[in-house]
Amino acid sequence: QLQLQESGPGLVKPSETLSLTCSVSGGSIISTSAYWGWIRQPPGKGLEWIGNIYYSGNTYYNSALKTRVTIAVDTSKNQFSLRLRSVTAADMAVYYCARLSGIYDISPGYNIGMDVWGQGTTVTVSS
Amino acid sequence: DIQLIQSPSFLSASVGDRVTITCRASQGISSDLAWYQQKPGKAPKLLIYDAVTLQSGVPSRFSGSGSGTQFTLTVSSLRPEDFATYYCQQVNSYPLTFGGGTKVEIK
Repeated sequence: QLQLQESGPGLVKPSETLSLTCSVSGGSIISTSAYWGWIRQPPGKGLEWIGNIYYSGNTYYNSALKTRVTIAVDTSKNQFSLRLRSVTAADMAVYYCARLSGIYDISPGYNIGMDVWGQGTTVTVSS
Repeated sequence: DIQLIQSPSFLSASVGDRVTITCRASQGISSDLAWYQQKPGKAPKLLIYDAVTLQSGVPSRFSGSGSGTQFTLTVSSLRPEDFATYYCQQVNSYPLTFGGGTKVEIK
């Protein structure tokens, strides 16, 4: 079945760029029924949606993060990625990638829910 | 952005109890609401989508209701494995948003 796996550095210095990759296995990232997303969870806190990307490259971002975030897709590698610039201690969190299932070959599209998640990767911000 | 307010934020209950969690949206979102369960150290798990539809494999003791701005998640009879944190998420419009979470602990 479909599996997602996050990878990337677990330690990032303040003011630098956090870069994570999510590898999709057991299915294709090219799908008209999926957006691919990033969600984070600071220690002891709730979930925060970061953004989503469609296989075509269409993106949506969290309003509070959009000036610092870029999500990209690489269909040849069946991966999508997250870049978060100018990180601070407030960006320390467990970062999850997930599939947002829905119906996207009609207009308007229709979201269902995030039904497949990676295990999460912990990112620490420290010099 | 659409805000989601969950209540209560913390709930103490016993095995066998009926538990209800509420999620209120700051504007109407039709039935575009999902519920997730998260256990410590684990990724969230989708329980319910479209406000009322049980995700495949989720026990029938879980149910969802509501539309518009008021939604509820009910567990009809708590089992030990249900002690966890529950989150609602609106998927009606971007940016997507989560509620603050409800932690269900053993009394």
